[in-house]
Formats: sequence, structure tokens, C-alpha cells
Amino acid sequence: EDQVTQSPEALRLQEGESSSLNCSYTVSGLRGLFWYRQDPGKGPEFLFTLYSAGEEKEKERLKATLTKKESFLHITAPKPEDSATYLCAVQVVTGGGNKLTFGTGTQLKVEL
Amino acid sequence: DAGVIQSPRHEVTEMGQEVTLRCKPISGHNSLFWYRQTMMRGLELLIYFNNNVPIDDSGMPEDRFSAKMPNASFSTLKIQPSEPRDSAVYFCASSLAGGPVNTQYFGPGTRLTVL
Repeated sequence: EDQVTQSPEALRLQEGESSSLNCSYTVSGLRGLFWYRQDPGKGPEFLFTLYSAGEEKEKERLKATLTKKESFLHITAPKPEDSATYLCAVQVVTGGGNKLTFGTGTQLKVEL
Repeated sequence: DAGVIQSPRHEVTEMGQEVTLRCKPISGHNSLFWYRQTMMRGLELLIYFNNNVPIDDSGMPEDRFSAKMPNASFSTLKIQPSEPRDSAVYFCASSLAGGPVNTQYFGPGTRLTVL
């Protein structure tokens, strides 16, 4: 069974204090790994897709990386507006069709 | 461009009543997904459609839940009869299937409270 585990469950940072969120996965064959951001009361918002080990993608203060076992979402010099829940999800090669399996998320709070 | 549209945004009902949630996917997308999100279980896939055909409904919790997609621009998720444990946020997402990886775009969700 495909599994996605995110850590930590919650993270509190001071503005400007860089850190990383972890997404570990166990799948039969990875087609893609997705990162989403979710604000309270809203639907998940797409951030990145990573396809293969060694790949990296960046957007503003966020950088996502991928290995064969896990992905990291690095947040550099975060601001309060980066506060949100960050979700990762996997799409598998066989048997999964188009569906995503999500982790339970990391709730990030960035304080002044 | 309009994103995924869901209605209603909030629904409060009493146990035993029928509830219908509605979704309009992004124009041109041919895959549609229904998810349920709770604090305890996170985001769970209930059912998804490709080209209006249900492909995988293994996440539908029980026979009280049903979903339809009569055309490419509309889908419903129905709960009959509703129970308090159905209280959750229900999301609809759509994607353009056919490529190597299919990015899903989510609607704003419907917050359902069953009393």
C-alpha cells in the first residue's frame, strides 16, 4: 500500500528563520510527487510537481527537492504570509490511475 | 479563468436528511475527484471520474454515498441519509488527464455539518 508521511506535524518559526519540511514516501513506482499549500478555510493550492530523484524546483522562498525515499520543502527566510499547512502527495505508476495519496500535512506558523 | 466551483460553501443539516454537494470542474479538464478532509484522517479520495465515467470508488465509505457526473461540466456527491460522522470538508478537484503526470486543482470546498 502506498504511504506518505509528513514531519513535523507542526512547526513554528520566527520570521527569517529558515527550515525544512519532510515528506517520506513508500510506493510501488513514483510517477510524481506534489506539494500543495492550504490556507484555513480554502482548498489546497498547487505549488510543485517533482518527477525524479535529484530534481529541484523553486518558487519565491520555497524550494522542493526529491530523493528516492523522500522530498523536502525548504523555506528560506520565511515571512508571516508563508503560514499555512503544506501537503505532499504522490501519484504512482501502476494501479493508481490519476489519483493522489496525500500525507497529513505540516502546519507552519511564521511569527514576527 | 474560473477555477473549480463548488456549492454550497457551507451546509448544515440534521441527521437523516439528504445532502447534495455540487462541483463544476475547470473547463477542458477531463478528470474529476471528490475528497473528504477531517482532522483525524486528513485528505481522503472518495471517488474519481475520467471522461465522466467513474474509475475508482473504493474510497466511498458506504452505500449512503453516491456520486454522478452527467456531463463534463457538472458532478454531484450525494449523502442519503446523512449522519453526524459525515461532518467534514468536501473538496472537488479536476485535472487534465492524458499526460505523464496530472496536476489536480482544487475547489474551495463545502463544509458539511450534520447535527
